[in-house]
Amino acid sequence: ILNVEQSPQSLHVQEGDSTNFTCSFPSSNFYALHWYRWETAKSPEALFVMTLNGDEKKKGRISATLNTKEGYSYLYIKGSQPEDSATYLCAFHTGNQFYFGTGTSLTVIP
Amino acid sequence: DVKVTQSSRYLVKRTGEKVFLECVQDMDHENMFWYRQDPGLGLRLIYFSYDVKMKEKGDIPEGYSVSREKKERFSLILESASTNQTSMYLCASSLDRGPQYFGPGTRLTVT
Repeated sequence: ILNVEQSPQSLHVQEGDSTNFTCSFPSSNFYALHWYRWETAKSPEALFVMTLNGDEKKKGRISATLNTKEGYSYLYIKGSQPEDSATYLCAFHTGNQFYFGTGTSLTVIP
Repeated sequence: DVKVTQSSRYLVKRTGEKVFLECVQDMDHENMFWYRQDPGLGLRLIYFSYDVKMKEKGDIPEGYSVSREKKERFSLILESASTNQTSMYLCASSLDRGPQYFGPGTRLTVT
């Protein structure tokens, strides 16, 4: 079992603040790194799939970076809005296994 | 849009019963997955399948089996349900390295 760690575990920010979270994973056997957003009472939805060291992906106010050599990825949210409140999960894909972190729970206070 | 459906949203079973959880996807994805989600433990992979009739164990396969007779359908079987299998079960499908598309989940309670 591989260890995928996410920090912080939870986060409360004011509307309009920018924020970021970390996903740490083993630097060996890397195949892909996924980010998902999971809102209460809904299914996880994919944000990004990152495969190359140095990848940067962006979707609206959310962006992510990837460093496979040191084993981490950052997720950034610019100008947080209440609708960004959710749990953000990362998943480390080795090619034949997926390992999810326990997530970062974000609450955006209006 | 990819659609992944699961047979039940809520299920209550007794200890020792055989339980079938069904998952169907409509996008011709090769890969299908079964996870369970428990507080503080995140999503843990039970089994996955890369093709019809193929299956691979995930992190926590004990007490579970799976069946994939058709590409669109992936079933999770609890041969003899136990109380420690009370959990939220999520099915997902994907293409190769692509994102996983999740079903709505089945909350199973074993009494």
